[in-house]
Amino acid sequence: KQEVTQIPAALSVPEGENLVLNCSFTDSAIYNLQWFRQDPGKGLTSLLLIQSSQREQTSGRLNASLDKSSGRSTLYIAASQPGDSATYLCAVRPRPSGGSNYKLTFGKGTLLTVNP
Amino acid sequence: KAGVTQTPRYLIKTRGQQVTLSCSPISGHRSVSWYQQTPGQGLQFLFEYFSETQRNKGNFPGRFSGRQFSNSRSEMNVSTLELGDSALYLCASSLLGVAPDEQYFGPGTRLTVT
Repeated sequence: KQEVTQIPAALSVPEGENLVLNCSFTDSAIYNLQWFRQDPGKGLTSLLLIQSSQREQTSGRLNASLDKSSGRSTLYIAASQPGDSATYLCAVRPRPSGGSNYKLTFGKGTLLTVNP
Repeated sequence: KAGVTQTPRYLIKTRGQQVTLSCSPISGHRSVSWYQQTPGQGLQFLFEYFSETQRNKGNFPGRFSGRQFSNSRSEMNVSTLELGDSALYLCASSLLGVAPDEQYFGPGTRLTVT
């Protein structure tokens, strides 16, 4: 059974700092890994999606890496801003087998606070 | 193109009652998945529907059920509500629910059981 762990559970940093969020998973037979952002009481916004054959993806100040063999992914946020304050979730998608492979397994998230 | 919509956005129910939540996927999407999010358990997969058929089911009791209509809109139903059912319920849609589709999430329905 796939398990996804995110460390730390909460992180508070001053504005402008670079930071790294960690995600680990137990079963390396994944199709892809996705990082989401969730604002309080809201739905999920996809940030970056890394296919299992890729090592990293970048979007603006965000960079996500994937090391499938060790079951780890990191989300790097450069020059953090107060608007980055949110919960960040990672989710893994299993390889297709028969029907759909949309049973995403999520970590519990990292609550990020960026202080002005 | 409109995103995934969920109604209602907020709901308060009493223990023992039943509730129905609705999800309208992005136009053209045929796969709809449901997730429950609680502070203790995080996000957990409930079930996935494609072409009016349930294809995948998570580890939830039979009180949780769903269905999908011919226009791909989906509903989930929870009967005999318990306090522990208080959660944010998220639905997500994708074209076919298989690789390499991406999944798009709605804003959620916040259910409070008193």
